[in-house]
Amino acid sequence: DQQVKQNSPSLSVQEGRISILNCDYTNSMFDYFLWYKKYPAEGPTFLISISSIKDKNEDGRFTVFLNKSAKHLSLHIVPSQPGDSAVYFCAARGNNAGNMLTFGGGTRLMVKP
Amino acid sequence: AAGVIQSPRHLIKEKRETATLKCYPIPRHDTVYWYQQGPGQDPQFLISFYEKMQSDKGSIPDRFSAQQFSDYHSELNMSSLELGDSALYFCASSSGGQGAVEQYFGPGTRLTVT
Repeated sequence: DQQVKQNSPSLSVQEGRISILNCDYTNSMFDYFLWYKKYPAEGPTFLISISSIKDKNEDGRFTVFLNKSAKHLSLHIVPSQPGDSAVYFCAARGNNAGNMLTFGGGTRLMVKP
Repeated sequence: AAGVIQSPRHLIKEKRETATLKCYPIPRHDTVYWYQQGPGQDPQFLISFYEKMQSDKGSIPDRFSAQQFSDYHSELNMSSLELGDSALYFCASSSGGQGAVEQYFGPGTRLTVT
């Protein structure tokens, strides 16, 4: 039973437009959500996080929105750049499971010039 | 800025052999995590250590063991290797113990078991 799901395996957007990556979760005990970007042959790179008590967190071109009632979060990248092309993982931390992260399956973002 | 270092980057072993993966966390980070990412899968948590003590345990096989040393580096020991152990093994580190949120990942060790 996958507790964190990214239902879109891939997304293609034009440079300069907005990229929206979605993530759903089932465990209401998650207290933090994180987004990671991963290039081939590299480890995941931390992008942005959000506490479960907030509904929005913004850092430069990246904004994460959290809808607790829907158990849904999204990462908005605007404007999208070709260098943003990578696999994006949504991850969640449970407040009763130490600091271990549960990852979604990832979404491959392709930003076309 | 210094990042998490993992060695080796690539490792090829035969079935039933043993392997040791090493992880050097970011300086002043006190917590180390190990994750396994199989082909086409998302990273799965294996085990973590805080201040040299095991803090959490995930889906780590009994054939695997790990420890964190006094200099905070960690080693993942894998014995009786099976074909299904072929995967990318990531180490991550964080500071602040149980209060830490962000984990910073190393580049991974790609283990191939033949």
